[in-house]
Amino acid sequence: KNEVEQSPQNLTAQEGEFITINCSYSVGISALHWLQQHPGGGIVSLFMLSSGKKKHGRLIATINIQEKHSSLHITASHPRDSAVYICAVRSNTGNQFYFGTGTSLTVIP
Amino acid sequence: EAGVVQSPRYKIIEKKQPVAFWCNPISGHNTLYWYRQNLGQGPELLIRYENEEAVDDSQLPKDRFSAERLKGVDSTLKIQPAELGDSAVYLCASSFGGFDEQYFGPGTRLTVT
Repeated sequence: KNEVEQSPQNLTAQEGEFITINCSYSVGISALHWLQQHPGGGIVSLFMLSSGKKKHGRLIATINIQEKHSSLHITASHPRDSAVYICAVRSNTGNQFYFGTGTSLTVIP
Repeated sequence: EAGVVQSPRYKIIEKKQPVAFWCNPISGHNTLYWYRQNLGQGPELLIRYENEEAVDDSQLPKDRFSAERLKGVDSTLKIQPAELGDSAVYLCASSFGGFDEQYFGPGTRLTVT
């Protein structure tokens, strides 16, 4: 049983396309994280949010606590956005972390 | 400001041998995490420290894995003896507090042959 489910698992897009990655979770949370991992590289935290919406450059993250769902949007996608995007949640009981298996994004020029 | 530092970056060992990983968190960060990431999977928390205290080690295989953070700063993660299934990337992360944003190190890629 996975506490965090992401979709799609793999995504290929043309440069310039608007991209959406979805994350659903089954536990009560205190925070949700969106992380980016490049091949062979470390993990970079993109967003940490507990409500509403956050925007950073071309990236937008939203969360609906009632529906236990979050989305990561990338506007005007670029090949350098190609990476694995991981959703992670921190439970509000026991402060445990649960990670999704990631969405592998490839943006084609 | 330096990020989270890990060493070594890569390690290849034969099964049954011991191995140790080292992590230096961002200065001032009280919370330190060790994760294991298998190929194609998300990270899995092994242990979380608040200063020098291990506050969550429920996922740490204690028969062969051990960790320490003696002075509440650097940390080491040890596997003894290593098994083939331990091949993975071991990630260290730190945060100011247990509820703050985490910063990840580059990871140590372990291959057990």
